[in-house]
Formats: sequence, structure tokens, C-alpha cells
Amino acid sequence: EPEVTQTPSHQVTQMGQEVILRCVPISNHLYFYWYRQILGQKVEFLVSFYNNEISEKSEIFDDQFSVERPDGSNFTLKIRSTKLEDSAMYFCASTISQGARVSFGYTFGSGTRLTVV
Amino acid sequence: AQSVTQPDIHITVSEGASLELRCNYSYGATPYLFWYVQSPGQGLQLLLKYFSGDTLVQGIKGFEAEFKRSQSSFNLRKPSVHWSDAAEYFCAVVSGGYQKVTFGTGTKLQVIP
Repeated sequence: EPEVTQTPSHQVTQMGQEVILRCVPISNHLYFYWYRQILGQKVEFLVSFYNNEISEKSEIFDDQFSVERPDGSNFTLKIRSTKLEDSAMYFCASTISQGARVSFGYTFGSGTRLTVV
Repeated sequence: AQSVTQPDIHITVSEGASLELRCNYSYGATPYLFWYVQSPGQGLQLLLKYFSGDTLVQGIKGFEAEFKRSQSSFNLRKPSVHWSDAAEYFCAVVSGGYQKVTFGTGTKLQVIP
């Protein structure tokens, strides 16, 4: 079964440093997403991306965050200057066209645990 | 705005007992509903999904869920729980043209021998 692949599985970074979280969505999917789960809390939507631009973003997704699909296969989340409160599990997800209802439903990656120290 | 409520934060059941995890949603149109399971330190695995049609949905690992529009509920059930079912379970609703997922706060399931 196709998978969404996220790397690295765990990243430790110093406060103020930039991090890039990487994701390889399923190849024929068109919609891409990042979600975040702070330890012990619920999974929260960050951003959706379609047709090479952000389609929706949450209040969490402020100016320190950015997303990119640099080469048609990877989908990245960049945090410019990390803060302690950015420590969380970050999930990438993708889904096929909303018109293809039979295939509707997200596929999530296994997540990247980001620890900011 | 859409929302999902999981009223039970933590549930403990004995192995072999039946299980029901509650989920209530708030959404104006016909919802697309999901249940995900997350084992400690792991990602999110889709258990089952409801779009339309038959209101009783079968999923993986012996789980099922029933959509009840009149009660705005989508409760997850399993007739006989196994120790390996211990995990956190998230109910979710998809909405909007770009299919944003809104998750509930999760129910942590503990299974005792």
C-alpha cells in the first residue's frame, strides 16, 4: 500500500535554529497537509497546499512557518526560528482529488518528532 | 465551524470485553467522518471512514462505527477488545473544499488482563 514518508523521524534542534521537515507524499495525490501534535494534546491542522500554493492555514501557521514543494515529489515544512513551544510531532498527509470520493481520505505519514532545546 | 467532541478522555476495559468510544460532531453539511488510532510514539492509522450510504461502517482490526445523524454521533465499537488495542483513538471530521481534518481530543484506551 502506498505510504507517505517523513524524514527524519526525530530531530533535535536548538532554540532559534531553522529546521526543515521533509515529506514525500503519495505520488498521485494532489492535496498536501501538515499537522502538529504537541505531546498529550490533540492533532491540529497547520496548513493545506494545492496547486503549488497554500490553500488554507491555521492561526498556528504564522510567519515563521513556510511550506514548499520544491521538486514535484518532496513537500517540506520550514520553521525559521524555532521556539521551545514548537516541540511537537509533525505529521504530513496527502490525499487525492476531492472528486475521487472512492479514494477519499487522508494518508498520514508516521511523523517527525521535533524537540527544541 | 466544524468540531468534534470525544467526551471520554480515558477508558479502561478488560480484555475480551466490548468497547464503545463516543464521538459527537458539529458540522452543517453531511460530514465525512473518520476514526484514527495512534499507538504510543507512532503515527496515525486510519481505522474506518464514513462518507455516505450504509450508516454502519466496518473497519480494520475488527472495529466498526455507526453514524447517527439524529444524534450527531459516530461511535466506535468493538465486540471483544484485545490487549493490542491499547492506544489513543481520535475521531475526526473532514470539511471544506481543501478537506481540512478536525480532530477530537482523543480517547486513551487501556486494556487490563
